[in-house]
Amino acid sequence: GAGVSQSPRYKVTKRGQDVALRCDPISGHVSLYWYRQALGQGPEFLTYFNYEAQQDKSGLPNDRFSAERPEGSISTLTIQRTEQRDSAMYRCASSSQGLAGGGNEQFFGPGTRLTVL
Amino acid sequence: GESVGLHLPTLSVQEGDNSIINCAYSNSASDYFIWYKQESGKGPQFIIDIRSNMDKRQGQRVTVLLNKTVKHLSLQIAATQPGDSAVYFCAERDNSGYALNFGKGTSLLVTP
Repeated sequence: GAGVSQSPRYKVTKRGQDVALRCDPISGHVSLYWYRQALGQGPEFLTYFNYEAQQDKSGLPNDRFSAERPEGSISTLTIQRTEQRDSAMYRCASSSQGLAGGGNEQFFGPGTRLTVL
Repeated sequence: GESVGLHLPTLSVQEGDNSIINCAYSNSASDYFIWYKQESGKGPQFIIDIRSNMDKRQGQRVTVLLNKTVKHLSLQIAATQPGDSAVYFCAERDNSGYALNFGKGTSLLVTP
Protein backbone atom coordinates (compact mmCIF):
# COMPACT_ATOMS: atom_id res chain seq x y z
CA GLY A 1 0.00 0.00 0.00
CA ALA A 2 0.97 3.62 -0.33
CA GLY A 3 3.13 5.10 2.36
CA VAL A 4 3.41 8.68 3.50
CA SER A 5 3.99 11.02 0.60
CA GLN A 6 5.28 14.56 0.61
CA SER A 7 5.46 17.26 -2.01
CA PRO A 8 7.40 18.87 -3.37
CA ARG A 9 10.44 16.68 -2.83
CA TYR A 10 12.73 19.66 -3.38
CA LYS A 11 11.97 23.33 -2.94
CA VAL A 12 14.37 26.17 -3.61
CA THR A 13 13.17 29.61 -2.67
CA LYS A 14 14.52 33.05 -2.10
CA ARG A 15 14.78 34.56 1.32
CA GLY A 16 11.59 36.35 2.29
CA GLN A 17 9.26 34.14 0.24
CA ASP A 18 6.55 31.96 1.74
CA VAL A 19 6.55 28.20 1.17
CA ALA A 20 3.95 25.51 1.70
CA LEU A 21 4.94 21.89 2.20
CA ARG A 22 2.38 19.17 1.78
CA CYS A 23 2.01 15.83 3.52
CA ASP A 24 -0.29 12.97 2.56
CA PRO A 25 -0.38 10.50 5.45
CA ILE A 26 -1.18 6.85 5.17
CA SER A 27 -4.90 6.49 4.61
CA GLY A 28 -6.78 6.17 7.87
CA HIS A 29 -3.93 7.23 10.09
CA VAL A 30 -5.18 9.31 12.96
CA SER A 31 -1.97 10.98 13.98
CA LEU A 32 0.27 13.19 11.87
CA TYR A 33 3.61 14.67 12.83
CA TRP A 34 5.98 17.17 11.32
CA TYR A 35 9.70 16.94 11.97
CA ARG A 36 12.74 18.81 10.74
CA GLN A 37 15.95 16.94 10.10
CA ALA A 38 19.39 18.47 9.74
CA LEU A 39 22.10 16.55 7.93
CA GLY A 40 23.55 13.84 10.14
CA GLN A 41 20.98 14.45 12.85
CA GLY A 42 17.84 12.70 13.86
CA PRO A 43 14.46 14.28 13.12
CA GLU A 44 13.42 17.08 15.47
CA PHE A 45 9.77 17.31 16.46
CA LEU A 46 7.83 20.34 15.22
CA THR A 47 4.12 19.70 15.64
CA TYR A 48 1.49 17.01 16.08
CA PHE A 49 -2.10 16.53 14.90
CA ASN A 50 -4.69 14.14 16.25
CA TYR A 51 -7.25 14.01 13.47
CA GLU A 52 -7.70 17.67 12.51
CA ALA A 53 -6.77 19.06 15.90
CA GLN A 54 -3.30 20.45 16.36
CA GLN A 55 -2.47 19.05 19.76
CA ASP A 56 1.03 20.31 20.10
CA LYS A 57 3.00 22.97 18.25
CA SER A 58 5.69 23.44 20.84
CA GLY A 59 8.43 22.42 18.43
CA LEU A 60 7.71 25.09 15.85
CA PRO A 61 10.73 27.41 15.92
CA ASN A 62 8.82 30.69 15.78
CA ASP A 63 5.58 32.25 14.58
CA ARG A 64 6.67 32.19 10.94
CA PHE A 65 5.93 28.46 11.05
CA SER A 66 2.38 27.17 11.01
CA ALA A 67 0.64 23.94 10.12
CA GLU A 68 -2.88 22.79 9.45
CA ARG A 69 -4.77 19.60 8.79
CA PRO A 70 -8.30 20.89 8.13
CA GLU A 71 -10.00 17.61 7.25
CA GLY A 72 -7.92 15.28 9.33
CA SER A 73 -5.99 13.90 6.39
CA ILE A 74 -3.64 16.02 4.28
CA SER A 75 -1.51 18.51 6.16
CA THR A 76 0.34 21.62 5.10
CA LEU A 77 3.33 23.13 6.83
CA THR A 78 3.75 26.78 5.93
CA ILE A 79 6.82 28.89 6.47
CA GLN A 80 6.39 32.61 5.99
CA ARG A 81 9.16 35.05 5.14
CA THR A 82 11.70 32.26 4.82
CA GLU A 83 15.21 32.72 6.11
CA GLN A 84 18.39 30.85 5.21
CA ARG A 85 18.38 29.12 8.59
CA ASP A 86 15.09 27.47 7.60
CA SER A 87 16.96 25.33 5.06
CA ALA A 88 16.55 21.70 6.09
CA MET A 89 14.77 18.46 5.33
CA TYR A 90 11.18 18.61 6.51
CA ARG A 91 9.65 15.23 7.23
CA CYS A 92 6.12 14.18 7.86
CA ALA A 93 5.12 11.03 9.70
CA SER A 94 1.84 9.37 10.51
CA SER A 95 0.67 6.68 12.86
CA SER A 96 -2.52 4.71 13.15
CA GLN A 97 -3.06 5.32 16.82
CA GLY A 98 -4.23 8.45 18.51
CA LEU A 99 -3.34 9.88 21.88
CA ALA A 100 -4.70 6.88 23.71
CA GLY A 101 -2.65 4.47 21.66
CA GLY A 102 -0.03 2.37 23.34
CA GLY A 103 2.62 2.06 20.70
CA ASN A 104 3.74 4.92 18.57
CA GLU A 105 5.11 3.41 15.38
CA GLN A 106 5.46 6.41 13.14
CA PHE A 107 5.84 5.94 9.39
CA PHE A 108 7.94 8.63 7.80
CA GLY A 109 7.65 10.20 4.40
CA PRO A 110 10.55 10.89 2.02
CA GLY A 111 10.72 14.51 3.11
CA THR A 112 10.90 17.88 1.39
CA ARG A 113 14.37 19.34 1.02
CA LEU A 114 13.99 23.10 1.48
CA THR A 115 16.78 25.40 0.40
CA VAL A 116 16.48 29.10 1.10
CA LEU A 117 18.86 31.24 -0.92
CA GLY B 1 17.01 19.31 28.56
CA GLU B 2 16.49 15.59 28.21
CA SER B 3 18.35 14.00 25.33
CA VAL B 4 19.02 10.80 23.52
CA GLY B 5 22.50 10.17 22.22
CA LEU B 6 24.61 7.50 20.60
CA HIS B 7 28.02 6.28 21.76
CA LEU B 8 29.56 5.70 18.33
CA PRO B 9 28.98 7.85 15.28
CA THR B 10 30.26 5.20 12.83
CA LEU B 11 30.53 1.45 12.84
CA SER B 12 32.18 -0.73 10.21
CA VAL B 13 31.56 -4.48 10.19
CA GLN B 14 32.24 -7.33 7.84
CA GLU B 15 29.42 -9.05 6.07
CA GLY B 16 28.18 -11.96 8.14
CA ASP B 17 29.33 -10.56 11.45
CA ASN B 18 26.97 -9.38 14.15
CA SER B 19 26.54 -5.65 14.72
CA ILE B 20 25.77 -3.84 17.93
CA ILE B 21 24.68 -0.23 17.95
CA ASN B 22 24.39 1.50 21.30
CA CYS B 23 22.33 4.39 22.55
CA ALA B 24 22.12 6.23 25.86
CA TYR B 25 19.05 8.10 26.95
CA SER B 26 18.59 10.50 29.83
CA ASN B 27 14.83 10.65 30.39
CA SER B 28 14.14 8.01 33.00
CA ALA B 29 10.40 8.54 32.50
CA SER B 30 10.49 7.39 28.86
CA ASP B 31 8.19 4.42 28.37
CA TYR B 32 8.72 3.54 24.75
CA PHE B 33 11.74 3.29 22.49
CA ILE B 34 12.17 2.72 18.77
CA TRP B 35 15.03 1.96 16.45
CA TYR B 36 14.89 3.42 12.97
CA LYS B 37 17.01 2.71 9.91
CA GLN B 38 17.59 5.48 7.42
CA GLU B 39 19.06 4.83 4.01
CA SER B 40 20.45 7.61 1.91
CA GLY B 41 17.72 9.78 0.42
CA LYS B 42 14.93 8.05 2.30
CA GLY B 43 12.91 8.67 5.42
CA PRO B 44 13.54 6.76 8.65
CA GLN B 45 12.18 3.23 8.50
CA PHE B 46 10.87 1.48 11.60
CA ILE B 47 12.94 -1.53 12.67
CA ILE B 48 11.82 -2.56 16.12
CA ASP B 49 10.37 -1.08 19.26
CA ILE B 50 10.36 -1.89 22.95
CA ARG B 51 8.34 -0.74 25.93
CA SER B 52 9.91 0.12 29.22
CA ASN B 53 8.36 -2.89 30.94
CA MET B 54 10.53 -5.18 28.81
CA ASP B 55 14.28 -5.65 28.68
CA LYS B 56 14.57 -7.56 25.43
CA ARG B 57 12.64 -7.91 22.22
CA GLN B 58 13.51 -9.89 19.12
CA GLY B 59 12.59 -9.41 15.54
CA GLN B 60 13.86 -10.88 12.33
CA ARG B 61 17.67 -10.75 12.66
CA VAL B 62 17.37 -7.86 15.09
CA THR B 63 17.22 -7.70 18.86
CA VAL B 64 16.73 -4.66 21.04
CA LEU B 65 17.98 -4.65 24.60
CA LEU B 66 16.89 -2.13 27.18
CA ASN B 67 18.75 -1.55 30.42
CA LYS B 68 16.74 0.92 32.46
CA THR B 69 19.21 0.88 35.33
CA VAL B 70 21.87 2.58 33.25
CA LYS B 71 19.44 4.06 30.70
CA HIS B 72 21.00 2.23 27.81
CA LEU B 73 19.49 0.85 24.63
CA SER B 74 21.16 -1.35 22.05
CA LEU B 75 20.33 -2.79 18.66
CA GLN B 76 21.86 -6.08 17.67
CA ILE B 77 21.83 -7.15 14.05
CA ALA B 78 22.69 -10.76 13.36
CA ALA B 79 24.59 -11.85 10.25
CA THR B 80 24.90 -8.30 8.97
CA GLN B 81 24.31 -7.90 5.26
CA PRO B 82 25.34 -5.15 2.82
CA GLY B 83 21.71 -4.04 2.73
CA ASP B 84 21.99 -3.20 6.40
CA SER B 85 24.33 -0.33 5.61
CA ALA B 86 22.51 2.81 6.72
CA VAL B 87 22.26 5.32 9.54
CA TYR B 88 20.53 3.97 12.61
CA PHE B 89 18.66 6.18 15.06
CA CYS B 90 17.27 5.35 18.44
CA ALA B 91 14.30 7.38 19.59
CA GLU B 92 12.37 7.69 22.80
CA ARG B 93 8.82 8.79 23.27
CA ASP B 94 8.99 11.87 25.38
CA ASN B 95 6.76 13.08 28.17
CA SER B 96 4.16 14.26 25.68
CA GLY B 97 3.22 10.66 24.97
CA TYR B 98 3.53 11.03 21.21
CA ALA B 99 6.56 13.03 20.10
CA LEU B 100 9.73 11.09 19.42
CA ASN B 101 13.06 12.42 20.60
CA PHE B 102 15.82 11.17 18.30
CA GLY B 103 19.51 10.78 18.85
CA LYS B 104 22.17 11.79 16.35
CA GLY B 105 22.51 8.50 14.55
CA THR B 106 25.15 5.84 13.94
CA SER B 107 26.35 5.10 10.45
CA LEU B 108 26.72 1.37 9.86
CA LEU B 109 28.94 0.29 6.98
CA VAL B 110 28.97 -3.35 5.99
CA THR B 111 32.00 -4.43 4.01
CA PRO B 112 32.17 -7.62 1.92
